[in-house]
Amino acid sequence: KNQVEQSPQSLIILEGKNCTLQCNYTVSPFSNLRWYKQDTGRGPVSLTIMTFSENTKSNGRYTATLDADTKQSSLHITASQLSDSASYICVALTYNDMRFGAGTRLTVKP
Amino acid sequence: KAGVTQTPRYLIKTRGQQVTLSCSPISGHRSVSWYQQTPGQGLQFLFEYFSETQRNKGNFPGRFSGRQFSNSRSEMNVSTLELGDSALYLCASTRGGGDQNTEAFFGQGTRLTVV
Repeated sequence: KNQVEQSPQSLIILEGKNCTLQCNYTVSPFSNLRWYKQDTGRGPVSLTIMTFSENTKSNGRYTATLDADTKQSSLHITASQLSDSASYICVALTYNDMRFGAGTRLTVKP
Repeated sequence: KAGVTQTPRYLIKTRGQQVTLSCSPISGHRSVSWYQQTPGQGLQFLFEYFSETQRNKGNFPGRFSGRQFSNSRSEMNVSTLELGDSALYLCASTRGGGDQNTEAFFGQGTRLTVV
């Protein structure tokens, strides 16, 4: 069964700290993996897209990693800011299907 | 260039009614996908349209339908509304063409409340 599991479900950190969000997927055949940021009441915004041949991809303070062998991905946020407070959604694609994780709700506190 | 535009932003309907939501993709994008997002189920794929044809379909009942026009604008219709249809409905546009690595751009969504 094609599934995407994210952890933790929610996370609270202090401004300036780093954090790492996890994503495990079981979709097959795997095409690519995406991380999205969704602010409350708004549509998701793409952070990174990685194919199976890519191990890491950065977008500013966001760095995503992918291990296609273990089917795990992580999103690392460096020097968090208050504006990073949002839900982060992991999406795994097959060639004709998209599977969404339930998201991690990140709260950054001053 | 303009982003993905969804209208209306908010909608309140009563059970049994039907509703039509609209999505205008980014200029030049030919694929539009629709998603339902609820607190309990997260984001779930409804269907995808490309060049006026439904290319993929999620696991939703037949009350949920859509179409795409020649200008790539898409509409989604839900008939005989149920309380459980209350959700944020998002659409995303991509260039289409079968490239799995192309980025999808989401609209702001339509918040539908069924009372």
